[in-house]
Amino acid sequence: DVKVTQSSRYLVKRTGEKVFLECVQDMDHENMFWYRQDPGLGLRLIYFSYDVKMKEKGDIPEGYSVSREKKERFSLILESASTNQTSMYLCASRSMGLAGYNEQFFGPGTRLTVL
Amino acid sequence: KQEVTQIPAALSVPEGENLVLNCSFTDSAIYNLQWFRQDPGKGLTSLLLIQSSQREQTSGRLNASLDKSSGRSTLYIAASQPGDSATYLCAVFDRGSTLGRLYFGRGTQLTVWP
Repeated sequence: DVKVTQSSRYLVKRTGEKVFLECVQDMDHENMFWYRQDPGLGLRLIYFSYDVKMKEKGDIPEGYSVSREKKERFSLILESASTNQTSMYLCASRSMGLAGYNEQFFGPGTRLTVL
Repeated sequence: KQEVTQIPAALSVPEGENLVLNCSFTDSAIYNLQWFRQDPGKGLTSLLLIQSSQREQTSGRLNASLDKSSGRSTLYIAASQPGDSATYLCAVFDRGSTLGRLYFGRGTQLTVWP
């Protein structure tokens, strides 16, 4: 089974702190994604990476950066955490199969609270 | 820009009912459509993936259909159980999207009561 893991299930940080959210997948997937999910707003794409060291901005990249130095790991960085970044953060990965793109798999999520 | 709509937003049914969840999308040029389940406070679990060339996919009590020309998909759940209570989301992989991003609906929150 594909496994996508996230470094923390719950995280509490203070305003202004630098925050790292880590995501690891074990299936050699090329594509990886970071979303945030808020009540009433649904899932919103922050960044995605289509291969190592490659990244693209999603719909809401402001206040975030990402790093993908190895294929299996995709990190989301909050340079200076703010209270409006309190949210559920979801990582996902997907392979590019012979017939095109395949299923997207999600991690368990990180509930981040910024005080 | 692709827009994905799910109706109804919430559904409450007694155990044992067969039910249908709806998903519509505005641009029929898609590679595939995926249905997910999300339990409260958890990540999304992939249920079914339908390629654009397919009409339906089945997994256990779940059956998903795709009518690409009309921009619709349905998820049919047979003999519903309380354990089916969750939010169900559909997502499309748009052919026009940059490097393969998915577009998600807001979901249908399903409650199955005993």
